[in-house]
Amino acid sequence: KQEVTQIPAALSVPEGENLVLNCSFTDSAIYNLQWFRQDPGKGLTSLLLIQSSQREQTSGRLNASLDKSSGRSTLYIAASQPGDSATYLCAARNQAGTALIFGKGTTLSVSS
Amino acid sequence: GAGVSQTPSNKVTEKGKYVELRCDPISGHTALYWYRQSLGQGPEFLIYFQGTGAADDSGLPNDRFFAVRPEGSVSTLKIQRTERGDSAVYLCASSLKGLNTGELFFGEGSRLTVL
Repeated sequence: KQEVTQIPAALSVPEGENLVLNCSFTDSAIYNLQWFRQDPGKGLTSLLLIQSSQREQTSGRLNASLDKSSGRSTLYIAASQPGDSATYLCAARNQAGTALIFGKGTTLSVSS
Repeated sequence: GAGVSQTPSNKVTEKGKYVELRCDPISGHTALYWYRQSLGQGPEFLIYFQGTGAADDSGLPNDRFFAVRPEGSVSTLKIQRTERGDSAVYLCASSLKGLNTGELFFGEGSRLTVL
Protein backbone atom coordinates (compact mmCIF):
# COMPACT_ATOMS: atom_id res chain seq x y z
CA LYS A 1 0.00 0.00 0.00
CA GLN A 2 1.36 3.36 -1.04
CA GLU A 3 2.31 5.73 1.77
CA VAL A 4 3.42 9.33 1.25
CA THR A 5 5.42 11.25 3.84
CA GLN A 6 6.26 14.95 3.87
CA ILE A 7 9.05 16.56 5.85
CA PRO A 8 9.09 18.98 7.56
CA ALA A 9 5.52 19.25 8.85
CA ALA A 10 5.97 23.01 9.27
CA LEU A 11 8.52 25.56 8.13
CA SER A 12 9.02 29.25 8.86
CA VAL A 13 11.37 31.38 6.77
CA PRO A 14 12.01 35.09 6.20
CA GLU A 15 11.01 36.62 2.91
CA GLY A 16 13.51 36.12 0.09
CA GLU A 17 14.86 32.75 1.17
CA ASN A 18 15.06 29.79 -1.16
CA LEU A 19 13.60 26.64 0.34
CA VAL A 20 13.02 22.94 -0.31
CA LEU A 21 10.05 20.82 0.69
CA ASN A 22 10.49 17.06 0.77
CA CYS A 23 8.16 14.24 -0.17
CA SER A 24 8.85 10.51 -0.04
CA PHE A 25 6.73 7.57 -1.18
CA THR A 26 7.05 3.87 -0.37
CA ASP A 27 5.99 2.33 -3.68
CA SER A 28 8.18 3.50 -6.54
CA ALA A 29 5.74 2.15 -9.15
CA ILE A 30 3.93 5.45 -9.48
CA TYR A 31 2.45 6.87 -12.66
CA ASN A 32 2.86 10.51 -11.75
CA LEU A 33 3.29 12.83 -8.81
CA GLN A 34 1.48 16.11 -8.24
CA TRP A 35 2.20 19.03 -5.93
CA PHE A 36 -0.68 21.12 -4.57
CA ARG A 37 -1.10 24.25 -2.51
CA GLN A 38 -3.90 24.63 0.03
CA ASP A 39 -4.83 27.91 1.69
CA PRO A 40 -6.74 27.79 5.03
CA GLY A 41 -10.37 26.81 4.51
CA LYS A 42 -9.90 26.41 0.78
CA GLY A 43 -9.61 23.61 -1.72
CA LEU A 44 -6.40 22.44 -3.38
CA THR A 45 -4.69 24.28 -6.21
CA SER A 46 -2.51 22.25 -8.53
CA LEU A 47 1.06 23.55 -8.81
CA LEU A 48 3.03 20.99 -10.79
CA LEU A 49 2.47 17.53 -12.27
CA ILE A 50 5.47 15.28 -12.98
CA GLN A 51 4.95 12.19 -15.11
CA SER A 52 6.88 9.07 -14.11
CA SER A 53 9.15 9.43 -17.14
CA GLN A 54 10.13 12.99 -16.20
CA ARG A 55 12.81 14.19 -13.79
CA GLU A 56 11.52 17.69 -13.09
CA GLN A 57 8.97 20.35 -13.90
CA THR A 58 9.22 24.12 -13.53
CA SER A 59 6.64 26.85 -13.19
CA GLY A 60 7.82 30.34 -12.38
CA ARG A 61 9.63 30.29 -9.03
CA LEU A 62 8.68 26.66 -8.44
CA ASN A 63 10.68 23.61 -9.45
CA ALA A 64 9.68 20.05 -8.64
CA SER A 65 11.97 17.06 -9.06
CA LEU A 66 11.20 13.36 -9.09
CA ASP A 67 13.50 10.42 -8.33
CA LYS A 68 11.38 7.30 -8.66
CA SER A 69 14.15 4.87 -7.76
CA SER A 70 14.68 6.47 -4.37
CA GLY A 71 11.01 7.26 -3.85
CA ARG A 72 11.53 10.98 -3.45
CA SER A 73 10.29 14.28 -4.79
CA THR A 74 11.26 17.81 -3.82
CA LEU A 75 9.55 21.15 -4.34
CA TYR A 76 11.97 24.06 -4.59
CA ILE A 77 10.62 27.57 -4.04
CA ALA A 78 12.93 30.40 -5.05
CA ALA A 79 12.88 33.86 -3.48
CA SER A 80 9.98 33.11 -1.15
CA GLN A 81 7.27 35.73 -0.59
CA PRO A 82 4.65 36.17 2.16
CA GLY A 83 2.01 35.18 -0.40
CA ASP A 84 3.63 31.74 -0.59
CA SER A 85 2.41 31.01 2.95
CA ALA A 86 0.14 27.97 2.70
CA THR A 87 0.15 24.20 3.14
CA TYR A 88 1.91 22.29 0.37
CA LEU A 89 0.78 18.76 -0.36
CA CYS A 90 2.35 16.14 -2.56
CA ALA A 91 0.40 13.22 -3.96
CA ALA A 92 1.50 10.10 -5.83
CA ARG A 93 -0.78 8.40 -8.33
CA ASN A 94 -1.30 4.86 -6.99
CA GLN A 95 -0.23 1.66 -8.67
CA ALA A 96 -3.69 1.02 -10.10
CA GLY A 97 -3.67 4.54 -11.46
CA THR A 98 -7.09 5.33 -10.06
CA ALA A 99 -6.31 7.77 -7.28
CA LEU A 100 -3.76 10.12 -5.83
CA ILE A 101 -2.40 9.21 -2.40
CA PHE A 102 -1.60 12.31 -0.37
CA GLY A 103 0.92 13.19 2.27
CA LYS A 104 -0.09 15.24 5.30
CA GLY A 105 1.50 18.38 3.92
CA THR A 106 4.09 20.96 4.91
CA THR A 107 2.74 24.21 6.32
CA LEU A 108 4.92 27.09 5.15
CA SER A 109 5.01 30.53 6.74
CA VAL A 110 6.98 33.30 5.03
CA SER A 111 7.46 36.43 7.12
CA SER A 112 8.02 39.88 5.68
CA GLY B 1 -18.37 25.70 -15.43
CA ALA B 2 -15.05 27.37 -14.88
CA GLY B 3 -14.12 25.18 -11.94
CA VAL B 4 -15.30 22.31 -9.78
CA SER B 5 -18.36 23.38 -7.81
CA GLN B 6 -19.44 21.78 -4.54
CA THR B 7 -22.61 22.31 -2.56
CA PRO B 8 -23.35 22.92 0.20
CA SER B 9 -20.19 24.64 1.37
CA ASN B 10 -21.18 23.93 4.96
CA LYS B 11 -23.55 21.34 6.41
CA VAL B 12 -24.36 20.85 10.08
CA THR B 13 -26.43 17.81 10.96
CA GLU B 14 -27.30 15.64 13.90
CA LYS B 15 -25.98 12.17 14.52
CA GLY B 16 -28.07 9.56 12.74
CA LYS B 17 -29.29 11.84 9.95
CA TYR B 18 -28.86 11.36 6.20
CA VAL B 19 -26.68 13.76 4.19
CA GLU B 20 -26.11 14.39 0.49
CA LEU B 21 -23.16 16.34 -0.87
CA ARG B 22 -23.08 17.44 -4.50
CA CYS B 23 -20.20 17.91 -6.92
CA ASP B 24 -20.39 19.57 -10.34
CA PRO B 25 -17.11 18.88 -12.18
CA ILE B 26 -15.43 20.94 -14.87
CA SER B 27 -17.33 20.56 -18.12
CA GLY B 28 -15.96 17.74 -20.24
CA HIS B 29 -13.99 16.09 -17.45
CA THR B 30 -14.72 12.37 -17.50
CA ALA B 31 -12.91 11.45 -14.30
CA LEU B 32 -14.32 12.45 -10.89
CA TYR B 33 -12.91 11.79 -7.43
CA TRP B 34 -14.20 12.17 -3.88
CA TYR B 35 -11.78 12.74 -1.01
CA ARG B 36 -12.23 13.37 2.71
CA GLN B 37 -9.92 15.65 4.69
CA SER B 38 -9.76 15.85 8.47
CA LEU B 39 -8.05 18.68 10.31
CA GLY B 40 -4.27 18.53 9.96
CA GLN B 41 -4.36 15.60 7.55
CA GLY B 42 -3.93 15.18 3.84
CA PRO B 43 -6.96 14.28 1.73
CA GLU B 44 -8.02 10.64 2.00
CA PHE B 45 -9.25 8.93 -1.18
CA LEU B 46 -12.85 7.70 -1.12
CA ILE B 47 -14.03 6.87 -4.66
CA TYR B 48 -13.17 7.41 -8.32
CA PHE B 49 -15.61 7.57 -11.24
CA GLN B 50 -14.72 7.19 -14.89
CA GLY B 51 -17.86 8.31 -16.68
CA THR B 52 -20.93 6.93 -14.92
CA GLY B 53 -19.26 3.97 -13.27
CA ALA B 54 -17.30 3.75 -10.04
CA ALA B 55 -13.92 2.47 -11.21
CA ASP B 56 -12.48 2.31 -7.71
CA ASP B 57 -14.52 2.56 -4.49
CA SER B 58 -11.90 1.00 -2.24
CA GLY B 59 -11.64 4.13 -0.11
CA LEU B 60 -15.25 4.21 1.09
CA PRO B 61 -14.97 3.54 4.84
CA ASN B 62 -18.14 1.46 5.23
CA ASP B 63 -21.55 0.76 3.75
CA ARG B 64 -23.02 4.00 5.13
CA PHE B 65 -21.18 5.82 2.36
CA PHE B 66 -22.38 5.68 -1.24
CA ALA B 67 -21.79 7.82 -4.32
CA VAL B 68 -23.50 8.07 -7.70
CA ARG B 69 -22.85 9.78 -11.01
CA PRO B 70 -25.86 8.76 -13.11
CA GLU B 71 -25.23 10.88 -16.20
CA GLY B 72 -21.45 11.03 -16.08
CA SER B 73 -21.34 14.63 -14.91
CA VAL B 74 -22.71 15.69 -11.51
CA SER B 75 -21.97 13.35 -8.63
CA THR B 76 -23.63 12.98 -5.24
CA LEU B 77 -21.95 11.55 -2.16
CA LYS B 78 -24.52 10.08 0.21
CA ILE B 79 -23.93 9.36 3.89
CA GLN B 80 -26.48 7.41 5.88
CA ARG B 81 -26.85 7.36 9.69
CA THR B 82 -24.15 9.97 10.14
CA GLU B 83 -21.70 9.65 13.03
CA ARG B 84 -19.58 12.30 14.74
CA GLY B 85 -16.50 10.72 13.18
CA ASP B 86 -17.84 11.58 9.73
CA SER B 87 -17.15 15.26 10.43
CA ALA B 88 -14.60 16.45 7.86
CA VAL B 89 -14.23 18.45 4.67
CA TYR B 90 -15.37 16.42 1.68
CA LEU B 91 -13.45 17.38 -1.45
CA CYS B 92 -14.35 16.63 -5.03
CA ALA B 93 -11.90 16.71 -7.94
CA SER B 94 -12.14 16.14 -11.67
CA SER B 95 -9.68 15.55 -14.48
CA LEU B 96 -9.86 15.47 -18.24
CA LYS B 97 -8.27 12.07 -18.45
CA GLY B 98 -8.67 9.24 -15.99
CA LEU B 99 -6.39 6.34 -15.51
CA ASN B 100 -2.71 7.10 -14.95
CA THR B 101 -2.68 10.59 -16.35
CA GLY B 102 -4.36 13.89 -15.96
CA GLU B 103 -4.00 16.76 -13.60
CA LEU B 104 -6.64 16.89 -10.86
CA PHE B 105 -8.62 20.05 -10.20
CA PHE B 106 -10.30 20.36 -6.82
CA GLY B 107 -13.39 22.16 -5.59
CA GLU B 108 -13.40 24.12 -2.34
CA GLY B 109 -15.08 21.33 -0.46
CA SER B 110 -18.15 20.73 1.66
CA ARG B 111 -17.52 21.03 5.38
CA LEU B 112 -19.67 18.48 7.24
CA THR B 113 -20.20 18.78 10.97
CA VAL B 114 -22.09 16.02 12.77
CA LEU B 115 -23.27 17.03 16.22
